[in-house]
Amino acid sequence: DGGITQSPKYLFRKEGQNVTLSCEQNLNHDAMYWYRQDPGQGLRLIYYSQIVNDFQKGDIAEGYSVSREKKESFPLTVTSAQKNPTAFYLCASSTGLAGTYEQYFGPGTRLTVT
Amino acid sequence: GENVEQHPSTLSVQEGDSAVIKCTYSDSASNYFPWYKQELGKRPQLIIDIRSNVGEKKDQRIAVTLNKTAKHFSLHITETQPEDSAVYFCAEQNDYKLSFGAGTTVTVRA
Repeated sequence: DGGITQSPKYLFRKEGQNVTLSCEQNLNHDAMYWYRQDPGQGLRLIYYSQIVNDFQKGDIAEGYSVSREKKESFPLTVTSAQKNPTAFYLCASSTGLAGTYEQYFGPGTRLTVT
Repeated sequence: GENVEQHPSTLSVQEGDSAVIKCTYSDSASNYFPWYKQELGKRPQLIIDIRSNVGEKKDQRIAVTLNKTAKHFSLHITETQPEDSAVYFCAEQNDYKLSFGAGTTVTVRA
């Protein structure tokens, strides 16, 4: 289960507070991703980054922000602008090389906002 | 998941029987189709994948078929066992992004 880690496993916040979720990988992967998982809806892409200091919006980026200052790290901030932030958040990484697409997932962070 | 439709949403099979999950996609440029298995409370894990230049791939009890003309692909699990109970997701990749289906909850009855 090593290689890509997320912390914490469970996170509780009050409405109106920003919260940052950690994602670290030691796989030397160039590409990293953030997904949100809600019951019955599969995984939806929030943001992704193909290289350090660069990232792109996914399908549901509103209310979220990211940074990619180091190859190993891709933190996600859930801002107070996110209308329904309670969800299971998954980080993933891949080599980023053309023709090599397998994504490896972290264990996830379950965020509850009340 | 908007680009990928996955059916059925739930599937209950008797141990030893086969399970089939089907997905359709819309983007003809998609060239990689992975299947992930997610056990309760755990991370999704890749179980099999297929690239657009291949029609079928097998790995022990699991197989995936791809029909690019019809834009659909399927997961087949034979001789199901209790440990096959999980949520299965199909996905398509175009460029560097994966789009996932909504998932199929498979329950194997002993």
